[in-house]
Amino acid sequence: QQPVQSPQAVILREGEDAVINCSSSKALYSVHWYRQKHGEAPVFLMILLKGGEQKGHEKISASFNEKKQQSSLYLTASQLSYSGTYFCGTAINTGTASKLTFGTGTRLQVTL
Amino acid sequence: DVKVTQSSRYLVKRTGEKVFLECVQDMDHENMFWYRQDPGLGLRLIYFSYDVKMKEKGDIPEGYSVSREKKERFSLILESASTNQTSMYLCASRDRLGTEAFFGQGTRLTVV
Repeated sequence: QQPVQSPQAVILREGEDAVINCSSSKALYSVHWYRQKHGEAPVFLMILLKGGEQKGHEKISASFNEKKQQSSLYLTASQLSYSGTYFCGTAINTGTASKLTFGTGTRLQVTL
Repeated sequence: DVKVTQSSRYLVKRTGEKVFLECVQDMDHENMFWYRQDPGLGLRLIYFSYDVKMKEKGDIPEGYSVSREKKERFSLILESASTNQTSMYLCASRDRLGTEAFFGQGTRLTVV
């Protein structure tokens, strides 16, 4: 049921790039990305609403391939502040409401 | 500043106890959600509510129930706590238009 994220964990040096993937067995109509820093609540990064759409937030951008039911988050020239756990989320229409489910998470650590 | 407030950061309960986790939001959001967060499993949806007294099961509802008597408050109930319910519980809210979700700080529940 949950979207699956890969990799599960990644360690980067400051300035390196990373890609986090999110794939779903169900059709995706929108994809959300959130970041959770250690001991804090998850915080919204961006939402992608159309197939093939790309959005950006600082040096973080994302793509959404509706046909492949996949989204990817791109972190460019990573900074120490990017460390945390990243979650993709999908909104599924149940007929009466919009159910928001999240993926398995990717733990990102940026080091000096 | 928008706020989702969970009543406790840490809670220790005994096996078999009835446990109430409370969540309050001040944004007049229609949708509220309860998730549990476990290492390697990401955020898993337990229950959600799209209006007062309206609720739907998430992906792992067994052993839990919920109550939403007022729009701003969403309660998660563990009828008879068990050790496998030891986890971090996160509440979130989101408006009907369905953009970003706002999370509470989480309640770390330990059942002994």
